[in-house]
Amino acid sequence: QKEVEQNSGPLSVPEGAIASLNCTYSDRGSQSFFWYRQYSGKSPELIMSIYSNGDKEDGRFTAQLNKASQYVSLLIRDSQPSDSATYLCAVDTGRRALTFGSGTRLQVQP
Amino acid sequence: GAVVSQHPSRVICKSGTSVKIECRSLDFQATTMFWYRQFPKQSLMLMATSNEGSKATYEQGVEKDKFLINHASLTLSTLTVTSAHPEDSSFYICSASPPGSMNTEAFFGQGTRLTVV
Repeated sequence: QKEVEQNSGPLSVPEGAIASLNCTYSDRGSQSFFWYRQYSGKSPELIMSIYSNGDKEDGRFTAQLNKASQYVSLLIRDSQPSDSATYLCAVDTGRRALTFGSGTRLQVQP
Repeated sequence: GAVVSQHPSRVICKSGTSVKIECRSLDFQATTMFWYRQFPKQSLMLMATSNEGSKATYEQGVEKDKFLINHASLTLSTLTVTSAHPEDSSFYICSASPPGSMNTEAFFGQGTRLTVV
């Protein structure tokens, strides 16, 4: 079992819709969770971090964490074509370095 | 956010030669930096942890004699790919976290696209 799992996609949503990205992790002791956006050929860019159960909102982005289910998600409201990218879920398992999922490719159709 | 700068952004080298990649934290000091490698359509895989003033810690399967890491100051880590081969062609990315930042909120350099011909 992979440590961090994501559906590779592509996830295709129309412009203005809500995009929902999901991630599960295997290490129950993980404390810190991150969502990164990566455009093709570029390095990852931090979008959201979440550390406690529940929702965390920042602009059009909402991260949700459920430690009991070992599940973290990212919602993107009012999706824009510029949101089209690969979204990487990353988990800190206590090693300080991050463990990444394989990423979900999001396509927002104009 | 914090700024991590990586250089060069692209490099093409001949098989058998060595390539040095630099990673700098521009507005903070980093006692620890991380080096990742990303093959096409795959995720980032941690290669090694660079520790200022001490030896790097390598992940299983990463050859320490091939991927030399030097963390000579609190703002600079270098990765040298020695005797490069075409299979070393990849996207190399470094990251660092500012002191006092929440847990391991990491900031990445721009990445280095290495092509070995």
